Amino acid sequence: SAVISQKPSRDICQRGTSLTIQCQVDSQVTMMFWYRQQPGQSLTLIATANQGSEATYESGFVIDKFPISRPNLTFSTLTVSNMSPEDSSIYLCSVLAGGFYEQYFGPGTRLTVT
Amino acid sequence: ILNVEQSPQSLHVQEGDSTNFTCSFPSSNFYALHWYRWETAKSPEALFVMTLNGDEKKKGRISATLNTKEGYSYLYIKGSQPEDSATYLCAFKGYSGGGADGLTFGKGTHLIIQP
Repeated sequence: SAVISQKPSRDICQRGTSLTIQCQVDSQVTMMFWYRQQPGQSLTLIATANQGSEATYESGFVIDKFPISRPNLTFSTLTVSNMSPEDSSIYLCSVLAGGFYEQYFGPGTRLTVT
Repeated sequence: ILNVEQSPQSLHVQEGDSTNFTCSFPSSNFYALHWYRWETAKSPEALFVMTLNGDEKKKGRISATLNTKEGYSYLYIKGSQPEDSATYLCAFKGYSGGGADGLTFGKGTHLIIQP
């Protein structure tokens, strides 16, 4: 298994600013994912972040808006840039551990943009 | 675009009653079906990973079945307790050769157990 922590747990931000969310894993993992859940919607994959390579973004998400860093096998950051109220969501970090079948999630970062 | 549907969207159940809900997913390129239990401000908790048609899995009072040919899974909770109150998510993982796709989630079933 994997234990994942995220910082901050919640934040309220002004429109036009940026927020960086940190994800720390208690073991080394190759694949990390970032998801978001907008109000009333499904958890949606933003990007896949593998250590040593550029993040791969899903359709509808771009690097300029959601830059991701993956400096080592236990840590990643997601930045939400130039925020608007539509970015108000829960952002979750996730990892694959124990093979392709076992995927674990952090507790999420609850972001409100005013 | 993959479509994963969960029903019902929300459910109120009396303590002690049993309940079940549904997840439907694409029946092609199936790799795995995940069930998670998610309480507010906590990490989604993995309940089951199901990979084979006809799979039945059980964890305490919770069990799940899988039909990959018709693209559905059921989650059952027997003798509901207040601590079962949570949102239950299912997530589909498709096959892309490497099996390392991200998960496609349904919107969840929000379960409230009434004492």
